[in-house]
Amino acid sequence: AQSVTQLGSHVSVSEGALVLLRCNYSSSVPPYLFWYVQYPNQGLQLLLKYTSAATLVKGINGFEAEFKKSETSFHLTKPSAHMSDAAEYFCAVSEAGGYNKLIFGAGTRLAVHP
Amino acid sequence: GAVVSQHPSRVICKSGTSVKIECRSLDFQATTMFWYRQFPKKSLMLMATSNEGSKATYEQGVEKDKFLINHASLTLSTLTVTSAHPEDSSFYICSAVPDIDTQYFGPGTRLTVL
Repeated sequence: AQSVTQLGSHVSVSEGALVLLRCNYSSSVPPYLFWYVQYPNQGLQLLLKYTSAATLVKGINGFEAEFKKSETSFHLTKPSAHMSDAAEYFCAVSEAGGYNKLIFGAGTRLAVHP
Repeated sequence: GAVVSQHPSRVICKSGTSVKIECRSLDFQATTMFWYRQFPKKSLMLMATSNEGSKATYEQGVEKDKFLINHASLTLSTLTVTSAHPEDSSFYICSAVPDIDTQYFGPGTRLTVL
């Protein structure tokens, strides 16, 4: 069975600091991995996805994530945090891409302070 | 591209009434749509998979008779919460699949049952 673990339900960084949100997955088949962002009272917006191509994936808003099979990880990073990055971030895994159901992690709330 | 809308964005109803939520893919056709439920400060829980022209597939523990799903066309899926009760109050989010890799999410519908 697939599962996703996001380490740290809350992460707080200073504006301009590195953002690192951790995600580890469990899957019996090569996974499709996703990061979504959710702003208050809104749906989810796709940040980036890994679909068995390049292991370093670049997304929108300056975010990127690296797929590390040996570590079963897909951590999300951004070199310099902006105030507008404050939101809830969800890592998700799917067995076969978009047509299969997504298994979500519990989410990480990112706070950015001046 | 890949825009998904939901209507209404929020709805308040009395206990015992039924509420219909629409999910539309605006610029693509979606043979598959998903319905999720999100509790406050929690992750998303998949309720059901909606396939155009066929019956929805419900996740374990989701009451089929309470949460009726109809995928009448390639751009529209509806979720009807029948005989709603306060415990059905939640944030309902749909997603649609325009390509093989990715689900795109609607903005969500906040249901409050009094």
